[in-house]
Amino acid sequence: DAMVIQNPRYQVTQFGKPVTLSCSQTLNHNVMYWYQQKSSQAPKLLFHYYDKDFNNEADTPDNFQSRRPNTSFCFLDIRSPGLGDAAMYLCATSRDAGGGETQYFGPGTRLLVL
Amino acid sequence: GQNIDQPTEMTATEGAIVQINCTYQTSGFNGLFWYQQHAGEAPTFLSYNVLDGLEEKGRFSSFLSRSKGYSYLLLKELQMKDSASYLCAVKDSNYQLIWGAGTKLIIKP
Repeated sequence: DAMVIQNPRYQVTQFGKPVTLSCSQTLNHNVMYWYQQKSSQAPKLLFHYYDKDFNNEADTPDNFQSRRPNTSFCFLDIRSPGLGDAAMYLCATSRDAGGGETQYFGPGTRLLVL
Repeated sequence: GQNIDQPTEMTATEGAIVQINCTYQTSGFNGLFWYQQHAGEAPTFLSYNVLDGLEEKGRFSSFLSRSKGYSYLLLKELQMKDSASYLCAVKDSNYQLIWGAGTKLIIKP
């Protein structure tokens, strides 16, 4: 089945210790997104790639970086995690970026910062 | 600014019908999405509306009025597994998805 896969599902890191979250997709979609979601809040878009074109949201902290080495994979790097970065991180894909294009989500990675 | 409003929480009885409302104020409109999100899991796509009217898909229906900036999700024959958060999201003029905070639906036997 075509899908969006995120690893790991749970990640524990220490304050200030770099961490990388990964996302892969078998849908062959052009667009990949990274969201941060805290409890009972809306998902917050951090950045997205249209193919290799990187689009950073204006309020995404510099602490968050992303890489998309190929169509299938996308990584979220948190350079120095703080306690406030504990959240669910969601990867999503869409075939294109137009109006009717649905975003499909991976299962998410829950990040805990100690 | 852009804004999506939904009730924070709703309670309904198994077997009943519930309507979850969503109002939006966005710069432009390129469609409205409803997603279901179970606790600790990722959102899953339920429905998409871009024209006014009702879209029916099994037990779930979604309605849109663009002139009123209003949508609702109607869930019929409620089952315990429908206990989840329901998120409304609108694509704005830049095709960016603007999300509501979600409505937590609690189903009681």
